[in-house]
Amino acid sequence: EDQVTQSPEALRLQEGESSSLNCSYTVSGLRGLFWYRQDPGKGPEFLFTLYSAGEEKEKERLKATLTKKESFLHITAPKPEDSATYLCAVQVSGGYNKLIFGAGTRLAVHP
Amino acid sequence: DAGITQSPRHKVTETGTPVTLRCHQTENHRYMYWYRQDPGHGLRLIHYSYGVKDTDKGEVSDGYSVSRSKTEDFLLTLESATSSQTSVYFCAIREDNHNEKLFFGSGTQLSVL
Repeated sequence: EDQVTQSPEALRLQEGESSSLNCSYTVSGLRGLFWYRQDPGKGPEFLFTLYSAGEEKEKERLKATLTKKESFLHITAPKPEDSATYLCAVQVSGGYNKLIFGAGTRLAVHP
Repeated sequence: DAGITQSPRHKVTETGTPVTLRCHQTENHRYMYWYRQDPGHGLRLIHYSYGVKDTDKGEVSDGYSVSRSKTEDFLLTLESATSSQTSVYFCAIREDNHNEKLFFGSGTQLSVL
Protein backbone atom coordinates (compact mmCIF):
# COMPACT_ATOMS: atom_id res chain seq x y z
CA GLU A 1 0.00 0.00 0.00
CA ASP A 2 1.26 3.44 -0.93
CA GLN A 3 2.13 5.45 2.17
CA VAL A 4 3.65 8.79 3.09
CA THR A 5 4.86 9.49 6.64
CA GLN A 6 6.09 12.82 7.96
CA SER A 7 8.15 13.34 11.07
CA PRO A 8 8.18 14.86 13.54
CA GLU A 9 4.49 15.68 13.97
CA ALA A 10 5.44 18.95 15.64
CA LEU A 11 8.68 20.86 15.99
CA ARG A 12 9.50 23.87 18.09
CA LEU A 13 12.59 25.90 17.21
CA GLN A 14 14.20 29.05 18.44
CA GLU A 15 14.74 31.73 15.86
CA GLY A 16 17.99 30.97 14.05
CA GLU A 17 18.03 27.28 15.08
CA SER A 18 18.33 25.25 11.88
CA SER A 19 16.62 21.86 11.54
CA SER A 20 15.13 19.38 9.08
CA LEU A 21 11.71 17.89 8.47
CA ASN A 22 11.39 14.38 7.11
CA CYS A 23 9.03 12.83 4.58
CA SER A 24 9.45 9.10 4.05
CA TYR A 25 7.46 7.20 1.44
CA THR A 26 6.73 3.70 0.24
CA VAL A 27 5.02 3.85 -3.12
CA SER A 28 4.83 1.65 -6.16
CA GLY A 29 5.88 4.24 -8.70
CA LEU A 30 7.12 7.71 -7.79
CA ARG A 31 6.41 10.39 -10.37
CA GLY A 32 7.19 13.37 -8.17
CA LEU A 33 7.35 14.65 -4.61
CA PHE A 34 5.81 17.94 -3.55
CA TRP A 35 6.24 20.19 -0.53
CA TYR A 36 3.50 22.59 0.53
CA ARG A 37 3.24 25.14 3.31
CA GLN A 38 -0.08 25.63 5.12
CA ASP A 39 -0.88 28.54 7.41
CA PRO A 40 -3.76 28.29 9.91
CA GLY A 41 -7.14 28.78 8.29
CA LYS A 42 -5.71 28.70 4.77
CA GLY A 43 -5.18 26.22 2.00
CA PRO A 44 -1.80 24.68 1.27
CA GLU A 45 0.63 26.75 -0.77
CA PHE A 46 3.04 25.09 -3.18
CA LEU A 47 6.76 25.24 -2.35
CA PHE A 48 8.74 22.67 -4.37
CA THR A 49 8.56 19.71 -6.73
CA LEU A 50 11.30 17.07 -6.83
CA TYR A 51 11.39 14.35 -9.45
CA SER A 52 14.51 12.24 -9.01
CA ALA A 53 16.89 11.09 -6.29
CA GLY A 54 19.68 13.60 -5.73
CA GLU A 55 17.62 16.56 -6.81
CA GLU A 56 17.60 19.67 -4.62
CA LYS A 57 15.50 22.84 -4.68
CA GLU A 58 15.95 26.02 -2.65
CA LYS A 59 13.78 28.97 -1.74
CA GLU A 60 14.96 31.54 0.76
CA ARG A 61 15.65 29.65 4.01
CA LEU A 62 14.20 26.37 2.74
CA LYS A 63 15.95 23.59 0.86
CA ALA A 64 14.29 20.35 -0.21
CA THR A 65 16.22 17.20 -1.04
CA LEU A 66 15.15 13.80 -2.34
CA THR A 67 16.47 10.26 -2.01
CA LYS A 68 14.90 6.99 -3.16
CA LYS A 69 13.07 6.57 0.14
CA GLU A 70 12.63 10.01 1.66
CA SER A 71 12.76 13.74 1.30
CA PHE A 72 14.03 16.35 3.69
CA LEU A 73 12.99 19.95 4.07
CA HIS A 74 15.92 21.79 5.61
CA ILE A 75 15.21 25.09 7.31
CA THR A 76 18.24 27.29 7.82
CA ALA A 77 18.18 30.06 10.43
CA PRO A 78 14.38 30.08 10.65
CA LYS A 79 12.35 33.13 11.51
CA PRO A 80 8.97 33.31 13.28
CA GLU A 81 7.26 33.85 9.92
CA ASP A 82 8.36 30.36 8.90
CA SER A 83 5.93 28.97 11.46
CA ALA A 84 3.37 26.85 9.59
CA THR A 85 2.44 23.27 8.84
CA TYR A 86 4.57 21.73 6.11
CA LEU A 87 2.96 19.05 3.98
CA CYS A 88 4.63 16.49 1.80
CA ALA A 89 2.82 14.79 -1.08
CA VAL A 90 3.89 12.04 -3.42
CA GLN A 91 2.56 11.68 -6.93
CA VAL A 92 2.20 8.05 -7.93
CA SER A 93 1.32 6.31 -11.16
CA GLY A 94 -2.37 5.68 -11.45
CA GLY A 95 -5.49 6.42 -13.40
CA TYR A 96 -5.39 10.03 -12.38
CA ASN A 97 -1.75 10.46 -11.33
CA LYS A 98 -2.91 10.60 -7.76
CA LEU A 99 -1.29 12.51 -4.93
CA ILE A 100 -0.82 10.95 -1.51
CA PHE A 101 -0.35 13.49 1.26
CA GLY A 102 1.42 13.06 4.56
CA ALA A 103 -0.22 14.34 7.73
CA GLY A 104 2.21 17.25 7.98
CA THR A 105 4.73 18.69 10.42
CA ARG A 106 3.65 21.68 12.54
CA LEU A 107 6.59 24.03 12.88
CA ALA A 108 6.68 26.78 15.49
CA VAL A 109 9.60 29.21 15.47
CA HIS A 110 9.90 31.36 18.56
CA PRO A 111 11.83 34.64 18.81
CA ASP B 1 -3.94 34.03 -4.99
CA ALA B 2 -4.74 31.51 -7.72
CA GLY B 3 -8.28 32.75 -8.31
CA ILE B 4 -10.15 30.12 -6.31
CA THR B 5 -13.10 30.97 -4.13
CA GLN B 6 -14.83 28.51 -1.84
CA SER B 7 -18.23 29.11 -0.31
CA PRO B 8 -19.36 29.04 2.35
CA ARG B 9 -16.25 29.41 4.50
CA HIS B 10 -18.01 27.94 7.52
CA LYS B 11 -21.15 25.86 7.84
CA VAL B 12 -22.91 24.07 10.68
CA THR B 13 -25.60 21.59 9.75
CA GLU B 14 -27.54 18.69 11.23
CA THR B 15 -27.17 15.01 10.53
CA GLY B 16 -29.30 13.90 7.60
CA THR B 17 -29.52 17.25 5.84
CA PRO B 18 -28.13 17.84 2.34
CA VAL B 19 -25.18 20.21 2.00
CA THR B 20 -23.57 21.71 -1.09
CA LEU B 21 -20.17 23.34 -1.13
CA ARG B 22 -19.10 25.50 -4.03
CA CYS B 23 -15.74 26.06 -5.64
CA HIS B 24 -15.33 28.82 -8.20
CA GLN B 25 -12.19 29.48 -10.25
CA THR B 26 -11.26 32.35 -12.53
CA GLU B 27 -8.29 30.55 -14.16
CA ASN B 28 -10.23 28.52 -16.75
CA HIS B 29 -8.34 25.35 -15.82
CA ARG B 30 -9.70 21.91 -16.73
CA TYR B 31 -8.70 20.07 -13.59
CA MET B 32 -10.47 20.67 -10.30
CA TYR B 33 -10.34 18.64 -7.10
CA TRP B 34 -12.13 18.28 -3.79
CA TYR B 35 -10.11 17.19 -0.75
CA ARG B 36 -10.93 16.80 2.90
CA GLN B 37 -8.46 17.42 5.70
CA ASP B 38 -8.78 15.82 9.12
CA PRO B 39 -6.42 15.92 12.12
CA GLY B 40 -3.81 13.19 11.90
CA HIS B 41 -4.59 12.49 8.27
CA GLY B 42 -3.16 13.88 5.11
CA LEU B 43 -5.38 15.57 2.59
CA ARG B 44 -7.58 12.91 1.01
CA LEU B 45 -9.11 13.17 -2.43
CA ILE B 46 -12.89 12.96 -2.60
CA HIS B 47 -13.66 13.60 -6.26
CA TYR B 48 -12.00 15.31 -9.16
CA SER B 49 -12.97 16.71 -12.53
CA TYR B 50 -11.06 16.85 -15.79
CA GLY B 51 -13.58 18.93 -17.70
CA VAL B 52 -17.20 20.02 -17.90
CA LYS B 53 -19.40 17.05 -16.98
CA ASP B 54 -16.27 14.86 -16.62
CA THR B 55 -15.79 13.73 -13.04
CA ASP B 56 -14.41 10.71 -11.24
CA LYS B 57 -14.05 9.30 -7.74
CA GLY B 58 -11.13 9.71 -5.42
CA GLU B 59 -10.16 7.57 -2.45
CA VAL B 60 -12.92 8.73 -0.04
CA SER B 61 -15.91 9.33 -2.31
CA ASP B 62 -18.61 7.43 -0.39
CA GLY B 63 -21.39 9.79 0.70
CA TYR B 64 -20.33 12.54 -1.69
CA SER B 65 -21.33 13.55 -5.20
CA VAL B 66 -20.05 16.29 -7.48
CA SER B 67 -21.17 18.24 -10.48
CA ARG B 68 -19.42 20.44 -13.00
CA SER B 69 -21.75 22.15 -15.44
CA LYS B 70 -19.37 25.03 -16.16
CA THR B 71 -15.58 25.20 -16.33
CA GLU B 72 -15.42 27.68 -13.47
CA ASP B 73 -17.66 25.89 -10.94
CA PHE B 74 -17.22 22.55 -9.16
CA LEU B 75 -19.87 21.61 -6.62
CA LEU B 76 -19.52 19.07 -3.83
CA THR B 77 -22.75 17.66 -2.36
CA LEU B 78 -23.26 15.66 0.77
CA GLU B 79 -26.63 14.04 0.07
CA SER B 80 -27.32 13.25 3.72
CA ALA B 81 -24.65 14.64 6.02
CA THR B 82 -23.20 12.47 8.79
CA SER B 83 -21.00 13.40 11.75
CA SER B 84 -18.07 11.59 10.11
CA GLN B 85 -18.19 14.22 7.37
CA THR B 86 -17.27 16.97 9.80
CA SER B 87 -14.03 18.20 8.27
CA VAL B 88 -12.29 20.99 6.44
CA TYR B 89 -12.92 20.78 2.70
CA PHE B 90 -10.48 22.18 0.18
CA CYS B 91 -10.94 22.76 -3.48
CA ALA B 92 -7.89 22.75 -5.72
CA ILE B 93 -7.09 23.43 -9.35
CA ARG B 94 -4.10 22.68 -11.51
CA GLU B 95 -2.78 23.96 -14.78
CA ASP B 96 -3.57 22.11 -17.98
CA ASN B 97 -0.25 20.35 -18.32
CA HIS B 98 1.35 17.28 -16.79
CA ASN B 99 2.58 19.14 -13.72
CA GLU B 100 0.61 17.97 -10.70
CA LYS B 101 1.24 21.22 -8.79
CA LEU B 102 -2.04 22.23 -7.14
CA PHE B 103 -3.43 25.61 -6.13
CA PHE B 104 -5.81 25.44 -3.19
CA GLY B 105 -8.72 27.51 -2.02
CA SER B 106 -9.02 28.72 1.56
CA GLY B 107 -11.26 25.86 2.63
CA THR B 108 -14.72 25.32 4.08
CA GLN B 109 -15.04 24.28 7.71
CA LEU B 110 -18.08 21.98 7.90
CA SER B 111 -19.53 20.79 11.19
CA VAL B 112 -22.26 18.14 11.17
CA LEU B 113 -24.05 17.93 14.52
